[in-house]
Amino acid sequence: GAVVSQHPSWVICKSGTSVKIECRSLDFQATTMFWYRQFPKQSLMLMATSNEGSKATYEQGVEKDKFLINHASLTLSTLTVTSAHPEDSSFYICSASDGLTSYNEQFFGPGTRLTVL
Amino acid sequence: GQNIDQPTEMTATEGAIVQINCTYQTSGFNGLFWYQQHAGEAPTFLSYNVLDGLEEKGRFSSFLSRSKGYSYLLLKELQMKDSASYLCAVPDSNYQLIWGAGTKLIIKP
Repeated sequence: GAVVSQHPSWVICKSGTSVKIECRSLDFQATTMFWYRQFPKQSLMLMATSNEGSKATYEQGVEKDKFLINHASLTLSTLTVTSAHPEDSSFYICSASDGLTSYNEQFFGPGTRLTVL
Repeated sequence: GQNIDQPTEMTATEGAIVQINCTYQTSGFNGLFWYQQHAGEAPTFLSYNVLDGLEEKGRFSSFLSRSKGYSYLLLKELQMKDSASYLCAVPDSNYQLIWGAGTKLIIKP
């Protein structure tokens, strides 16, 4: 149980285009979803936290107009990187929590590798 | 503020035992996680400690001392597939995970 999928696994796009990444909880309802970014040889950096049906809470320094997050249902959240630039190339990972464990365990998706040319 | 420290890299021999340390400073404490992350993949959950002491789970064990702000991950009977980064993380007051930079573990034959 507690499987999270991401689509696509990897994507290459041209500078200036937009890319949408989907995160789905396959066998549980995710009350909260988290979006992370990880650059090579660095740790995960939380970008934003989203609760179903409400606006995402962005971490300091993350542009909400550039990284659009939608958490429309209890099983789906999307991250859209708008007007992507080469510096946005990174490994994007989502995680989801069902809020049922006392410590709000997060279940991670497999990640999406974005390369912006 | 909150801070998590762990060694950047460690090397060990196949079949041996290795201990990866993590020290943390947090305002409040909501437990401590250890995750394993292979290159190019997402983290996978290893353990969660909220009480002092050692928790054993197969070849992997995790220890916590809340008074010392210290935890370690102990890996026994190392296998080549254990080569990965090991991430220490603590939830903040909003249960968002604060991540350490990770310890890259290199296993040699």
